[in-house]
Amino acid sequence: GAVVSQHPSRVICKSGTSVKIECRSLDFQATTMFWYRQFPKQSLMLMATSNEGSKATYEQGVEKDKFLINHASLTLSTLTVTSAHPEDSSFYICSAREDRAKNIQYFGAGTRLSVL
Amino acid sequence: RKEVEQDPGPFNVPEGATVAFNCTYSNSASQSFFWYRQDCRKEPKLLMSVYSSGNEDGRFTAQLNRASQYISLLIRDSKLSDSATYLCVVNMDTGRRALTFGSGTRLQVQP
Repeated sequence: GAVVSQHPSRVICKSGTSVKIECRSLDFQATTMFWYRQFPKQSLMLMATSNEGSKATYEQGVEKDKFLINHASLTLSTLTVTSAHPEDSSFYICSAREDRAKNIQYFGAGTRLSVL
Repeated sequence: RKEVEQDPGPFNVPEGATVAFNCTYSNSASQSFFWYRQDCRKEPKLLMSVYSSGNEDGRFTAQLNRASQYISLLIRDSKLSDSATYLCVVNMDTGRRALTFGSGTRLQVQP
């Protein structure tokens, strides 16, 4: 099946640091990728929709200047958490929608971010 | 009201039992429906899509009732390896194809 690679899987950083997370579709093209965040014992919450070659669409309440998204190619989207603070500590998961498949999304393994 | 609602559980069942989960969604215009499985501290993985006519995949049966806006998942002959959180997922926006997740129902299958 389709594979989505997300890197790094774990980040521990100091407050004020910027953290970059990569999401790659390994064997398919993905014009659209999604970034989710999941707090402990809660559901995945969509943060933004990443579109290749255009600006990301952010969900209400998600600061676009805080969570920078770049989708430079059909197989790569990046999320940068700028000036991270302890409240940004969470599980960040990306997903990619295969261009040729209808409504099927494949998820990366997630990035666990801990900001000290 | 949440867009996708599930009973959080946990459902504790013995091996071999049959267990059913339900889920309700708020947007009657929703287009696509799925069940995902998420193991502790891992990413969600697609278990099965849900079709209006109902569909079965081995021990798993999914059904959709559009009139009542609910989705169900039936697991027969439960295995220890079925222990996980089951997420009801709905595509409410055909334009963006973004998914809306329920908070999940936790299943613990006991020996």
